[in-house]
Amino acid sequence: KAGVTQTPRYLIKTRGQQVTLSCSPISGHRSVSWYQQTPGQGLQFLFEYFSETQRNKGNFPGRFSGRQFSNSRSEMNVSTLELGDSALYLCASSPGQGVATEAFFGQGTRLTVV
Amino acid sequence: SQQGEEDPQALSIQEGENATMNCSYKTSINNLQWYRQNSGRGLVHLILIRSNEREKHSGRLRVTLDTSKKSSSLLITASRAADTASYFCATDAVPGNTGKLIFGQGTTLQVKP
Repeated sequence: KAGVTQTPRYLIKTRGQQVTLSCSPISGHRSVSWYQQTPGQGLQFLFEYFSETQRNKGNFPGRFSGRQFSNSRSEMNVSTLELGDSALYLCASSPGQGVATEAFFGQGTRLTVV
Repeated sequence: SQQGEEDPQALSIQEGENATMNCSYKTSINNLQWYRQNSGRGLVHLILIRSNEREKHSGRLRVTLDTSKKSSSLLITASRAADTASYFCATDAVPGNTGKLIFGQGTTLQVKP
């Protein structure tokens, strides 16, 4: 099985711009979660999508949004970028049914805001 | 907010030694997981222990869970240089069927050859 694929791997954006990150989960997985990782805050949960519906949301401003498509691929969007949005963004997929199980992570997208 | 706190934050040992890292969490859980992250890359799942289990083994890994103390430990035996990485515990923390994981701050392990 192919793993979780995140694109792009690296991004440099300017303050005020917006960015879209993409995640292709493992085939058959219906849950996709997004996390932000920074040296100061660690790994923070952004949101989770299951069967095209947002099932859970972390404590992030409305500039952070996401969606999931019928093929389970997911995108997250950050608008009006701030310097503090510089981080590693990780996507994880799991089957999604029942109690939380092992999550499979992509390699992440390293976003730098200048 | 972070669910768990990990201890120690950093650990440096010689190859062949054992490494123990601890994790504490705050709320009831369904299960607790441990993940490894090599520098700046994605997380790799190591082991999952359910709330009704007390100990679990996988190769050189041994995980314990004490739900009365809301704590877990990860033991890596006979460590190797390739074990150098950051290790995170993660809990589901939210009752119900969601994929949300809450991570601890992590322990950075350095294994010297």
